[in-house]
Amino acid sequence: AQKITQTQPGMFVQEKEAVTLDCTYDTSDQSYGLFWYKQPSSGEMIFLIYQGSYDEQNATEGRYSLNFQKARKSANLVISASQLGDSAMYFCAMREGGRGSYIPTFGRGTSLIVHP
Amino acid sequence: EAEVAQSPRYKITEKSQAVAFWCDPISGHATLYWYRQILGQGPELLVQFQDESVVDDSQLPKDRFSAERLKGVDSTLKIQPAELGDSAMYLCASSFSPEPDNQETQYFGPGTRLLVL
Repeated sequence: AQKITQTQPGMFVQEKEAVTLDCTYDTSDQSYGLFWYKQPSSGEMIFLIYQGSYDEQNATEGRYSLNFQKARKSANLVISASQLGDSAMYFCAMREGGRGSYIPTFGRGTSLIVHP
Repeated sequence: EAEVAQSPRYKITEKSQAVAFWCDPISGHATLYWYRQILGQGPELLVQFQDESVVDDSQLPKDRFSAERLKGVDSTLKIQPAELGDSAMYLCASSFSPEPDNQETQYFGPGTRLLVL
């Protein structure tokens, strides 16, 4: 079973509008971390935002916020005021458990295109 | 700002040839990761190092892939012989703690795009 599911292969948004990228996850651990990365066409994965399973408040980083719904096991990324430079692939990832050699797991990604 | 360095950025090789990728993590980062990313998919972890030791290589195809981090700093990933299905992006990442927990952020390099003909 997929640990990270991103159901939107592609999304389009107009410049200056907000967009939500979906991510659902599957884990039986109580302690886990959720991450979002941006991958432009150049290839580098850029860290955007982190949410811990015990965090009571949704994480925010500038124009990025994470809509964390623990009971639904969802961690959607919200980008406000989209910019043309936001066009890229976006990946949701999870790290499970406590300290140790566990494997970070990534979803298949969502392609976001911001048009003028 | 410190970055993860990778070289080469692009590599074209013929099947059955050997190929090697190099990664230099952010200075002071104890943990180093090699990922393979097939087009249209998310990264898949191949191997994780804690300093010079392999912590996890369960997803590494050991019949043809090898990885080393001899002095616990930079690392080399080798494929011999390369196969057509190895065409992918190979990403290196690093994180600070030798025992990363679920809050530990990974920082990625620009990747090496491999094309096997």
